Amino acid sequence: KNEVEQSPQNLTAQEGEFITINCSYSVGISALHWLQQHPGGGIVSLFMLSSGKKKHGRLIATINIQEKHSSLHITASHPRDSAVYICAAGAGGGADGLTFGKGTHLIIQP
Amino acid sequence: DAGVTQSPTHLIKTRGQQVTLRCSPKSGHDTVSWYQQALGQGPQFIFQYYEEEERQRGNFPDRFSGHQFPNYSSELNVNALLLGDSALYLCASSSLDLAGGFTDTQYFGPGTRLTVL
Repeated sequence: KNEVEQSPQNLTAQEGEFITINCSYSVGISALHWLQQHPGGGIVSLFMLSSGKKKHGRLIATINIQEKHSSLHITASHPRDSAVYICAAGAGGGADGLTFGKGTHLIIQP
Repeated sequence: DAGVTQSPTHLIKTRGQQVTLRCSPKSGHDTVSWYQQALGQGPQFIFQYYEEEERQRGNFPDRFSGHQFPNYSSELNVNALLLGDSALYLCASSSLDLAGGFTDTQYFGPGTRLTVL
């Protein structure tokens, strides 16, 4: 069974700061997902990656398969980035149901 | 493109009742996965449907069942509701290549919030 751990659980930062959220998983995976969830429940998929690094706007996701670790970075953070960020691991060929971390609650203060 | 849609948005039931939740996948997607998210927790995988069959199942009792229709939409049924079934139920769709896995990221619907009294 894959265990997915995220850190920190809660993070409060000032606008403009560089944000890093970490995710570790216990077994080999074929894809790791970073998701954003706003109050009210809607989940948006930010990245799906299986190696290396992906960038979209101010968001950067990296993964180290050997170390079973992924990071989500937010550059020039803004209050609208405030949300819960969840990492989820997919094993067994990449099409299995995802195992989710508990999420990181991020608050960016103006 | 409407993306993934779910209905209803909110639902209140009493213990012992049965409930049916519905999900329409994003256009072009053929795989639907269902997740349960309790308050303050990450989502838990319930099951996944592909080609109208349950392809994979998480650690949920048989009270949780589902169906996928030829148009790829899906239903989640929960029988004999318990207080602990109160949660946000999320549906996610993607497209699947059985040889290579998901060919697209998973798109999530807005969820159905179920309250069991």
